[in-house]
Amino acid sequence: SQTIHQWPATLVQPVGSPLSLECTVEGTSNPNLYWYRQAAGRGLQLLFYSVGIGQISSEVPQNLSASRPQDRQFILSSKKLLLSDSGFYLCAWSDLSTGYNYEQYFGPGTRLTVT
Amino acid sequence: DQQVKQNSPSLSVQEGRISILNCDYTNSMFDYFLWYKKYPAEGPTFLISISSIKDKNEDGRFTVFLNKSAKHLSLHIVPSQPGDSAVYFCAARRGSARQLTFGSGTQLTVLP
Repeated sequence: SQTIHQWPATLVQPVGSPLSLECTVEGTSNPNLYWYRQAAGRGLQLLFYSVGIGQISSEVPQNLSASRPQDRQFILSSKKLLLSDSGFYLCAWSDLSTGYNYEQYFGPGTRLTVT
Repeated sequence: DQQVKQNSPSLSVQEGRISILNCDYTNSMFDYFLWYKKYPAEGPTFLISISSIKDKNEDGRFTVFLNKSAKHLSLHIVPSQPGDSAVYFCAARRGSARQLTFGSGTQLTVLP
């Protein structure tokens, strides 16, 4: 069965510091990968998605970036965090190969607080 | 431009009664709709979905209804249980697009 991991679970970082959040998926190959953010009291905002290694699409221009160095690894980064980057970051995957091409499956999330 | 809207931020229902969660969309190109359930500090979990070629899909206590002419879908939970208390997100997908568009969520509280 497929599983998705995210770490760290919680993170407190000062303004201006760098960020690296990691997501890995097990049990599937060539998944589509997604980064979402849920700000306090808000819905899920798609930040980035990737259909393959090195292929990143950005949905919202901001000071965040994403990379996919391996097939089942997705990284969210920032060089300098802003207060507005605080939120709950979720990684998700979907799998086109099995026909389950509509549902996305989410990881446990990372709570980021920028102070 | 919010293409998927959940206009009720919260809903309280008595245990055993029906919960009805609503969702409206504006993009007529959406052809697949999903509901997710989210507990605090956890990722959303997929609940149920419906294709635009159907108007109803049922899975146990959960039924999703789709009214394409009104661009409206709803999730019915019968009977509601305290464990159903969570935030419910509706989401929509357009054709071959890989991404989902989510609503802002509705907090359901089932009172014992």
